[in-house]
Amino acid sequence: GQNIDQPTEMTATEGAIVQINCTYQTSGFNGLFWYQQHAGEAPTFLSYNVLDGLEEKGRFSSFLSRSKGYSYLLLKELQMKDSASYLCAVRENTGFQKLVFGTGTRLLVSP
Amino acid sequence: EAQVTQNPRYLITVTGKKLTVTCSQNMNHEYMSWYRQDPGLGLRQIYYSMNVEVTDKGDVPEGYKVSRKEKRNFPLILESPSPNQTSLYFCASSPRVPLAGVRNEQFFGPGTRLTVL
Repeated sequence: GQNIDQPTEMTATEGAIVQINCTYQTSGFNGLFWYQQHAGEAPTFLSYNVLDGLEEKGRFSSFLSRSKGYSYLLLKELQMKDSASYLCAVRENTGFQKLVFGTGTRLLVSP
Repeated sequence: EAQVTQNPRYLITVTGKKLTVTCSQNMNHEYMSWYRQDPGLGLRQIYYSMNVEVTDKGDVPEGYKVSRKEKRNFPLILESPSPNQTSLYFCASSPRVPLAGVRNEQFFGPGTRLTVL
């Protein structure tokens, strides 16, 4: 089974940088996803890591360390529209490759 | 526009009254899935389907049924809804059955907020 931990809530200021951490325990790992979810809306895909290291995509970057069971999502030059929940999800290396979600981190960006 | 659609978006019903939430995708995706999202619990998988006529249980299947008679549609059926099924429901799809090392992210529908009184 899987256990995924991420902070419940974080606050940051517009223009700043914020790092959202995710730790996981799994019997079989096959990739880690980050999704963004605005209140009352659908989750949307942000990033995917399956190998160790940093993946950069514009203002957003995601890092993975498989040996430590650890990932982070880095958001730079924060904007008000970045206020949302950020969901960490791990794909199990089982027959049907189930995606298991953490409970999400609610980020509040203030002016 | 490529999308996953769900209907209805909001529903208030009473205990025991059968209901169906429809899900449709226009991207020719093979894999479809239903999740429920509850405060403090995150997204939990109810059922999934790897292709037409192939469905299987997720983590919380009790009280739900699904069918996959056509590739684009994956309805969620609550035969006898109960108050503990009050939740926000999401349908999702991805191009293929998840494979090792392949990104194959899931695309989510807009959600259906269900209240069972």
